[in-house]
Amino acid sequence: GAVVSQHPSRVICKSGTSVKIECRSLDFQATTMFWYRQFPKQSLMLMATSNEGSKATYEQGVEKDKFLINHASLTLSTLTVTSAHPEDSSFYICSASGQGIQPQHFGDGTRLSIL
Amino acid sequence: GDSVTQMEGPVTLSEEAFLTINCTYTATGYPSLFWYVQYPGEGLQLLLKATKADDKGSNKGFEATYRKETTSFHLEKGSVQVSDSAVYFCALNRDDKIIFGKGTRLHILP
Repeated sequence: GAVVSQHPSRVICKSGTSVKIECRSLDFQATTMFWYRQFPKQSLMLMATSNEGSKATYEQGVEKDKFLINHASLTLSTLTVTSAHPEDSSFYICSASGQGIQPQHFGDGTRLSIL
Repeated sequence: GDSVTQMEGPVTLSEEAFLTINCTYTATGYPSLFWYVQYPGEGLQLLLKATKADDKGSNKGFEATYRKETTSFHLEKGSVQVSDSAVYFCALNRDDKIIFGKGTRLHILP
């Protein structure tokens, strides 16, 4: 139980494109979802925390206009990387927590490559 | 602020060797402590956890004990396998946020 699905697993696109990544909780209600970024051979850096129905809370140094987060339902959160550039290339991972679901459960990640 | 420090890798061992990956933490109060594993190209999987002092988490032959007096949560396994090759992250939970260590890459040679 407590499965978190992330889609797509990999995306390659041209510079200037906006890319949307979905994170779904398949068998529980995710009251809180988290978005992380991981650079090669480094740890996960929390980008933002989102609670269903409210605005996301971004960590210091993360551009909220660049990384748009929507958590419109208890099972879905999306991260949109707007006007992506090569420096946005990274591995993005979401996680979710909810009633009785602690600690967070992680998705399998999305590898984003901007050409 | 809260932080997690773990031994730098990579760690290279032969199959069936004994494994220890050190982890210490700095935090107010008594956070929950975790070890996560990340296999190549994949997301994170919770390997084990401990929620209070002296708790021992264990899974798949791995274990770690929550040591309040030394603020440590070292990961151990008695006999590693090639399939254990991965990156291991020590972490703590604070107000529903997880704070990760930098990760330790483990290579097991056949």
